[in-house]
Amino acid sequence: GEDVEQSLFLSVREGDSSVINCTYTDSSSTYLYWYKQEPGAGLQLLTYIFSNMDMKQDQRLTVLLNKKDKHLSLRIADTQTGDSAIYFCAERGGAASKLTFGTGTRLQVTL
Amino acid sequence: EPEVTQTPSHQVTQMGQEVILRCVPISNHLYFYWYRQILGQKVEFLVSFYNNEISEKSEIFDDQFSVERPDGSNFTLKIRSTKLEDSAMYFCASRKTGGDYEQYFGPGTRLTVT
Repeated sequence: GEDVEQSLFLSVREGDSSVINCTYTDSSSTYLYWYKQEPGAGLQLLTYIFSNMDMKQDQRLTVLLNKKDKHLSLRIADTQTGDSAIYFCAERGGAASKLTFGTGTRLQVTL
Repeated sequence: EPEVTQTPSHQVTQMGQEVILRCVPISNHLYFYWYRQILGQKVEFLVSFYNNEISEKSEIFDDQFSVERPDGSNFTLKIRSTKLEDSAMYFCASRKTGGDYEQYFGPGTRLTVT
Protein backbone atom coordinates (compact mmCIF):
# COMPACT_ATOMS: atom_id res chain seq x y z
CA GLY A 1 0.00 0.00 0.00
CA GLU A 2 0.92 3.64 -0.03
CA ASP A 3 3.41 4.89 2.51
CA VAL A 4 4.65 8.38 3.28
CA GLU A 5 7.62 9.03 5.54
CA GLN A 6 9.05 12.15 7.14
CA SER A 7 11.70 12.94 9.70
CA LEU A 8 10.16 13.60 13.10
CA PHE A 9 11.83 16.79 14.24
CA LEU A 10 13.58 19.87 12.89
CA SER A 11 14.96 22.80 14.85
CA VAL A 12 15.96 26.07 13.15
CA ARG A 13 16.85 29.57 14.25
CA GLU A 14 14.47 32.42 13.54
CA GLY A 15 15.34 34.00 10.19
CA ASP A 16 16.98 30.88 8.78
CA SER A 17 15.43 28.67 6.11
CA SER A 18 13.73 25.41 7.07
CA VAL A 19 13.64 22.40 4.79
CA ILE A 20 11.21 19.61 5.61
CA ASN A 21 11.58 16.41 3.63
CA CYS A 22 9.14 13.68 2.69
CA THR A 23 9.36 10.44 0.73
CA TYR A 24 6.48 8.48 -0.68
CA THR A 25 6.06 5.12 -2.34
CA ASP A 26 2.99 5.43 -4.56
CA SER A 27 4.23 6.00 -8.11
CA SER A 28 0.70 6.91 -9.20
CA SER A 29 0.55 9.90 -6.85
CA THR A 30 -1.02 12.79 -8.69
CA TYR A 31 -1.14 15.53 -6.07
CA LEU A 32 1.17 16.05 -3.12
CA TYR A 33 0.25 18.35 -0.26
CA TRP A 34 1.71 20.10 2.73
CA TYR A 35 -0.49 20.67 5.74
CA LYS A 36 0.34 22.58 8.94
CA GLN A 37 -1.03 21.64 12.35
CA GLU A 38 -0.63 24.06 15.24
CA PRO A 39 -1.10 22.79 18.81
CA GLY A 40 -4.73 21.83 19.46
CA ALA A 41 -5.79 22.91 15.99
CA GLY A 42 -6.87 21.22 12.78
CA LEU A 43 -4.98 20.69 9.56
CA GLN A 44 -4.36 23.81 7.52
CA LEU A 45 -3.57 23.32 3.84
CA LEU A 46 -0.38 25.26 3.06
CA THR A 47 0.30 24.34 -0.53
CA TYR A 48 0.21 21.50 -3.00
CA ILE A 49 1.95 20.44 -6.17
CA PHE A 50 0.74 18.46 -9.13
CA SER A 51 2.94 15.53 -10.07
CA ASN A 52 3.89 16.93 -13.46
CA MET A 53 5.58 19.92 -11.81
CA ASP A 54 8.97 19.93 -10.15
CA MET A 55 8.72 23.20 -8.27
CA LYS A 56 6.11 25.55 -6.92
CA GLN A 57 6.71 28.79 -5.07
CA ASP A 58 4.18 30.60 -2.93
CA GLN A 59 5.55 33.59 -1.01
CA ARG A 60 7.91 32.15 1.64
CA LEU A 61 7.13 28.56 0.69
CA THR A 62 8.91 26.57 -2.00
CA VAL A 63 7.92 23.00 -2.82
CA LEU A 64 10.34 20.80 -4.71
CA LEU A 65 9.29 17.48 -6.20
CA ASN A 66 11.67 14.80 -7.45
CA LYS A 67 9.30 12.32 -8.99
CA LYS A 68 12.04 9.87 -9.96
CA ASP A 69 13.18 9.56 -6.33
CA LYS A 70 9.64 10.08 -4.95
CA HIS A 71 10.96 12.88 -2.77
CA LEU A 72 9.11 16.02 -1.80
CA SER A 73 10.43 18.95 0.20
CA LEU A 74 9.01 22.11 1.71
CA ARG A 75 11.32 25.08 2.16
CA ILE A 76 10.22 27.90 4.41
CA ALA A 77 12.29 31.05 3.89
CA ASP A 78 12.93 33.46 6.78
CA THR A 79 11.38 31.09 9.32
CA GLN A 80 9.43 32.84 12.08
CA THR A 81 8.37 31.67 15.54
CA GLY A 82 4.81 31.51 14.22
CA ASP A 83 5.95 28.77 11.87
CA SER A 84 6.47 26.43 14.82
CA ALA A 85 4.03 23.58 14.22
CA ILE A 86 3.81 20.03 12.88
CA TYR A 87 4.05 19.80 9.10
CA PHE A 88 2.40 16.89 7.32
CA CYS A 89 3.17 15.70 3.85
CA ALA A 90 0.26 13.92 2.13
CA GLU A 91 -0.30 12.30 -1.21
CA ARG A 92 -3.32 11.51 -3.30
CA GLY A 93 -2.83 8.66 -5.71
CA GLY A 94 -4.52 7.76 -8.94
CA ALA A 95 -8.29 7.76 -9.00
CA ALA A 96 -8.66 7.57 -5.24
CA SER A 97 -9.44 10.81 -3.49
CA LYS A 98 -8.30 9.86 0.00
CA LEU A 99 -5.12 11.40 1.35
CA THR A 100 -2.29 9.32 2.78
CA PHE A 101 -0.38 11.29 5.38
CA GLY A 102 3.18 11.14 6.60
CA THR A 103 4.15 10.94 10.24
CA GLY A 104 4.51 14.71 10.51
CA THR A 105 7.63 16.79 11.20
CA ARG A 106 7.66 18.95 14.28
CA LEU A 107 9.35 22.26 13.42
CA GLN A 108 10.78 24.16 16.36
CA VAL A 109 11.90 27.73 15.73
CA THR A 110 14.34 29.14 18.26
CA LEU A 111 15.35 32.75 18.86
CA GLU B 1 -13.64 32.63 4.32
CA PRO B 2 -15.84 29.52 4.53
CA GLU B 3 -14.57 26.75 6.75
CA VAL B 4 -15.42 23.26 7.93
CA THR B 5 -16.80 23.18 11.46
CA GLN B 6 -17.02 20.27 13.88
CA THR B 7 -18.88 19.68 17.13
CA PRO B 8 -18.20 18.95 19.87
CA SER B 9 -14.56 19.93 20.22
CA HIS B 10 -14.10 17.30 22.93
CA GLN B 11 -16.25 14.28 23.73
CA VAL B 12 -15.71 11.95 26.66
CA THR B 13 -17.62 8.68 26.65
CA GLN B 14 -17.59 5.34 28.39
CA MET B 15 -16.57 2.17 26.62
CA GLY B 16 -19.53 0.55 24.89
CA GLN B 17 -21.47 3.77 24.44
CA GLU B 18 -22.51 5.19 21.09
CA VAL B 19 -21.14 8.54 19.96
CA ILE B 20 -22.04 10.80 17.07
CA LEU B 21 -19.50 13.29 15.81
CA ARG B 22 -20.86 16.14 13.75
CA CYS B 23 -19.41 18.14 10.90
CA VAL B 24 -20.69 20.98 8.77
CA PRO B 25 -18.72 20.93 5.50
CA ILE B 26 -18.18 23.98 3.31
CA SER B 27 -21.51 24.70 1.64
CA ASN B 28 -20.67 24.14 -2.05
CA HIS B 29 -18.55 21.06 -1.40
CA LEU B 30 -19.86 17.65 -2.39
CA TYR B 31 -17.15 15.22 -1.24
CA PHE B 32 -16.86 14.55 2.47
CA TYR B 33 -14.28 12.65 4.51
CA TRP B 34 -13.49 11.45 7.98
CA TYR B 35 -9.94 10.92 9.18
CA ARG B 36 -8.60 10.14 12.60
CA GLN B 37 -5.33 10.74 14.41
CA ILE B 38 -4.46 8.64 17.42
CA LEU B 39 -2.19 10.62 19.74
CA GLY B 40 1.34 10.69 18.38
CA GLN B 41 0.46 8.75 15.24
CA LYS B 42 -0.29 9.48 11.59
CA VAL B 43 -3.52 10.97 10.34
CA GLU B 44 -5.44 7.98 8.93
CA PHE B 45 -8.20 7.91 6.35
CA LEU B 46 -11.50 6.39 7.50
CA VAL B 47 -14.13 7.01 4.84
CA SER B 48 -15.14 9.19 1.92
CA PHE B 49 -18.73 10.03 0.98
CA TYR B 50 -20.23 11.38 -2.22
CA ASN B 51 -23.71 11.53 -3.66
CA ASN B 52 -25.20 10.09 -0.47
CA GLU B 53 -23.10 6.98 -0.41
CA ILE B 54 -19.73 5.76 0.76
CA SER B 55 -17.24 5.98 -2.10
CA GLU B 56 -14.24 4.51 -0.28
CA LYS B 57 -13.45 3.21 3.18
CA SER B 58 -10.40 1.91 5.00
CA GLU B 59 -9.93 -1.27 7.01
CA ILE B 60 -10.45 0.77 10.17
CA PHE B 61 -14.00 1.64 9.10
CA ASP B 62 -15.67 -1.57 10.24
CA ASP B 63 -19.30 -2.31 11.12
CA GLN B 64 -19.01 -0.23 14.29
CA PHE B 65 -18.74 2.91 12.17
CA SER B 66 -21.35 4.59 10.00
CA VAL B 67 -21.70 7.92 8.25
CA GLU B 68 -24.73 9.92 7.31
CA ARG B 69 -25.72 13.19 5.72
CA PRO B 70 -29.04 13.66 7.53
CA ASP B 71 -29.79 17.02 5.93
CA GLY B 72 -28.28 19.46 3.47
CA SER B 73 -25.62 20.74 5.83
CA ASN B 74 -24.49 18.13 8.37
CA PHE B 75 -22.24 15.12 7.92
CA THR B 76 -21.99 12.73 10.87
CA LEU B 77 -19.78 9.87 12.00
CA LYS B 78 -21.37 7.38 14.38
CA ILE B 79 -19.44 4.85 16.43
CA ARG B 80 -21.94 2.30 17.76
CA SER B 81 -20.07 0.75 20.65
CA THR B 82 -16.91 2.64 21.46
CA LYS B 83 -13.70 0.90 22.45
CA LEU B 84 -10.71 2.33 24.28
CA GLU B 85 -8.71 2.25 21.05
CA ASP B 86 -11.23 4.58 19.39
CA SER B 87 -9.77 7.42 21.47
CA ALA B 88 -8.36 9.82 18.91
CA MET B 89 -8.81 13.16 17.21
CA TYR B 90 -11.39 12.84 14.44
CA PHE B 91 -11.14 15.23 11.50
CA CYS B 92 -13.82 15.95 8.97
CA ALA B 93 -12.84 17.28 5.54
CA SER B 94 -14.64 18.38 2.41
CA ARG B 95 -13.79 19.34 -1.15
CA LYS B 96 -15.41 20.59 -4.31
CA THR B 97 -16.02 18.47 -7.37
CA GLY B 98 -13.77 18.98 -10.36
CA GLY B 99 -10.95 21.47 -10.60
CA ASP B 100 -8.46 21.23 -7.77
CA TYR B 101 -8.69 18.47 -5.24
CA GLU B 102 -7.92 20.40 -2.10
CA GLN B 103 -9.45 18.92 1.00
CA TYR B 104 -10.30 21.44 3.69
CA PHE B 105 -10.19 20.12 7.22
CA GLY B 106 -12.19 21.02 10.28
CA PRO B 107 -10.58 21.65 13.68
CA GLY B 108 -11.30 18.12 14.86
CA THR B 109 -13.19 16.44 17.69
CA ARG B 110 -11.10 14.87 20.41
CA LEU B 111 -12.81 11.64 21.46
CA THR B 112 -11.77 10.13 24.78
CA VAL B 113 -13.13 6.68 25.62
CA THR B 114 -12.78 5.68 29.28
